[in-house]
Amino acid sequence: DGGITQSPKYLFRKEGQNVTLSCEQNLNHDAMYWYRQDPGQGLRLIYYSQIVNDFQKGDIAEGYSVSREKKESFPLTVTSAQKNPTAFYLCASEKGRYSNYGYTFGSGTRLTVV
Amino acid sequence: KQEVTQIPAALSVPEGENLVLNCSFTDSAIYNLQWFRQDPGKGLTSLLLIQSSQREQTSGRLNASLDKSSGRSTLYIAASQPGDSATYLCAVATGAGSYQLTFGKGTKLSVIP
Repeated sequence: DGGITQSPKYLFRKEGQNVTLSCEQNLNHDAMYWYRQDPGQGLRLIYYSQIVNDFQKGDIAEGYSVSREKKESFPLTVTSAQKNPTAFYLCASEKGRYSNYGYTFGSGTRLTVV
Repeated sequence: KQEVTQIPAALSVPEGENLVLNCSFTDSAIYNLQWFRQDPGKGLTSLLLIQSSQREQTSGRLNASLDKSSGRSTLYIAASQPGDSATYLCAVATGAGSYQLTFGKGTKLSVIP
């Protein structure tokens, strides 16, 4: 079955450490997105990518970085510059921006600072 | 800037009851509206997608309507079941040239056996 796989499910980060969250899709979708979810705040867009080797900042990109070297993969790195990284991170994909097919989401990664 | 509001924030109903969840948005120039379900600690599952040219979509016991002119959508759940307990999120795709999905904060539904 086609879908989006996020790993790991749970991740713990020490102060000053960079960590990378994985997102892989086999839907042949061009567009991929990273969202952060905090209690009571809804989902906020971190980064998005429309095609390979291209990505754009979303509303809360500071302290995060991404790459899009393959169509299937869109990893998110949470750097030490992100002061409050504890949150639930969701990756999504879409056939293409403006494609009007809707978003498909992964199962999420919960990141906790220890 | 698009704003999406979902009311109520939480809802508790007895099993078997029909119910309506509401979503309102401020900018009517949308591409589509999508309803999602989220179980605790899980990702989002797409329930229904309504394109801007459509008025409603149906899937099983779920029916979603869209009224662009008034900036409203409703999700109707028929004959609710305890397994329907989850948070329901409404998301609106907006923005010519700067396409973005804006989410509401969700309605947490509890169906009591």
